[in-house]
Amino acid sequence: EAQVTQNPRYLITVTGKKLTVTCSQNMNHEYMSWYRQDPGLGLRQIYYSMNVEVTDKGDVPEGYKVSRKEKRNFPLILESPSPNQTSLYFCASSFRGRAYGFTYEQYFGPGTRLTVT
Amino acid sequence: QKEVEQNSGPLSVPEGAIASLNCTYSDRVSQSFFWYRQYSGKSPELIMSIYSNGDKEDGRFTAQLNKASQYVSLLIRDSQPSDSATYLCASVGGSNYKLTFGKGTLLTVNP
Repeated sequence: EAQVTQNPRYLITVTGKKLTVTCSQNMNHEYMSWYRQDPGLGLRQIYYSMNVEVTDKGDVPEGYKVSRKEKRNFPLILESPSPNQTSLYFCASSFRGRAYGFTYEQYFGPGTRLTVT
Repeated sequence: QKEVEQNSGPLSVPEGAIASLNCTYSDRVSQSFFWYRQYSGKSPELIMSIYSNGDKEDGRFTAQLNKASQYVSLLIRDSQPSDSATYLCASVGGSNYKLTFGKGTLLTVNP
């Protein structure tokens, strides 16, 4: 089954304790991205990756790190989590379009609900 | 700042009616447009994509795109209670394939 998986699905942690949220896709997609969703603010992009070893900042990258060492995996790292990073996080992936601005559809993982106390 | 604006809602329609969801976008170079459905606490689920001006139909869903007016809409015919969800409009523009989302419209279909 074609899918994007995330782990863990739920996480409660304390301020400053490093954590990693994993994301994996089995669709051979080049493009992967992380979003956070907060009430009233909608979905905002944190980081994205166009391909292996190619990553770049989205709209709200502060406090996050990513890496893309393999095509299928795109982990999100919070080195020193703070309460303002309490949110619902989604990973998404797609093929990369060939022409400027064109893209194939992005598919989302099930989400990770993170609480930082 | 590239923006996607949706009619804020909430929108309430009776079962069997047509639900109309609207979206405007500010980035003229956007070429790809998507409608996602999101149930509370769940991930966005792609229901329609549209790239060319005009209408695209898929079952009970019809997406309409007017690039001159920078307007995208989604019509849901014969609305069902199971269609009750938040609908997110998104556009892609630029070389980084970034999806820009609207804030969403909450649709409630009343039995």
